[in-house]
Amino acid sequence: GAGVSQSPRYKVAKRGQDVALRCDPISGHVSLFWYQQALGQGPEFLTYFQNEAQLDKSGLPSDRFFAERPEGSVSTLKIQRTQQEDSAVYLCASRPSPNTEAFFGQGTRLTVV
Amino acid sequence: QKEVEQDPGPLSVPEGAIVSLNCTYSNSAFQYFMWYRQYSRKGPELLMYTYSSGNKEDGRFTAQVDKSSKYISLFIRDSQPSDSATYLCAMSANDKFIFGKGTRLHILP
Repeated sequence: GAGVSQSPRYKVAKRGQDVALRCDPISGHVSLFWYQQALGQGPEFLTYFQNEAQLDKSGLPSDRFFAERPEGSVSTLKIQRTQQEDSAVYLCASRPSPNTEAFFGQGTRLTVV
Repeated sequence: QKEVEQDPGPLSVPEGAIVSLNCTYSNSAFQYFMWYRQYSRKGPELLMYTYSSGNKEDGRFTAQVDKSSKYISLFIRDSQPSDSATYLCAMSANDKFIFGKGTRLHILP
């Protein structure tokens, strides 16, 4: 498909486990975002890439969260030593260039038990 | 005060009515404004994207931006049961965009 693809769609992790969430942006899109959405809330910004450069990571809640986009395409959000409060939907979005429309994937629903 | 305020609803209106959804914001640097629709257990779907002040129309949807009042609106004409969803406003200065909490809308058949 031509949209933003995220995998896995659902992830259950035991507390303390490390997880990796993948985002395949729309081909050719320069900008990539990660957001976290708690139940009944709007998405909260985590981090932003332009090509392979991570320009803003001010929204990452702790040093357990790490994101990378080494070749300026696929991105991975890694959460180490997961905690129950990390349970949320993690959304990825991409856009062709700055100041254009952003398109979201379906999200990864993470449940930490 | 959050940067973007949005009434969470729920808002219930009869089928065929005009729906008005609104957001207010505090950051005068915002100049790009978006409306997304989100169905349960799905990702946000872009409905409207506008730059600066003014109106933009696309089918049954009209987006309005009033930068002087820091107020944006989305109007849905001839509302349908399939419009029942959560509507999210989002805005940005020039990079990351900030979302409202979303308004849950129910269109009653």
